[in-house]
Amino acid sequence: EDQVTQSPEALRLQEGESSSLNCSYTVSGLRGLFWYRQDPGKGPEFLFTLYSAGEEKEKERLKATLTKKESFLHITAPKPEDSATYLCAVHASGTYKYIFGTGTRLKVLA
Amino acid sequence: ETGVTQTPRHLVMGMTNKKSLKCEQHLGHNAMYWYKQSAKKPLELMFVYNFKEQTENNSVPSRFSPECPNSSHLFLHLHTLQPEDSALYLCASSSGEGGNTIYFGEGSWLTVV
Repeated sequence: EDQVTQSPEALRLQEGESSSLNCSYTVSGLRGLFWYRQDPGKGPEFLFTLYSAGEEKEKERLKATLTKKESFLHITAPKPEDSATYLCAVHASGTYKYIFGTGTRLKVLA
Repeated sequence: ETGVTQTPRHLVMGMTNKKSLKCEQHLGHNAMYWYKQSAKKPLELMFVYNFKEQTENNSVPSRFSPECPNSSHLFLHLHTLQPEDSALYLCASSSGEGGNTIYFGEGSWLTVV
């Protein structure tokens, strides 16, 4: 069964304290892995798409990486405005389904 | 991108009411989706439409009835809902091909009283 597991469930960081969020997945034929940011009361905002193991993408303080079993979202020197829930999703081949994890709630303290 | 618009943003309805959620995408995509988001649960796929044809119905109760008149518009008709149906309902779209990014609207907060 296709599945996405994110850890930790919640993370508190001091401003400037770098860390990583994990997304482990099991999928029959990965067509793409996606990272989103979701603020309270809003829809998920797209961050990155990764397609193959070894691929990396960066945007400001965020860097996403992908292996055959997991993806990491690295946050370098975070700021309070990076506080949000970060969602990971996979798209399996032969289907229109995008399967999501439960997310990591990140809180960055000033 | 902010190309997916949902209305209303907030909705309170009684269990005997009939209401509809509306979604419109301006991204030129051919696939549209309804997801349900409840507290501490992953996003649950409800329905998928590709070129107006329903391709996925994820065992959703019949009190939720989707309608897709064209590739840009998607509706979710609601009737005789239960309090446990209270959640954030998210509409999304994609180009439908394998691995393409799915883009979300801001969601419709539904409270069933």
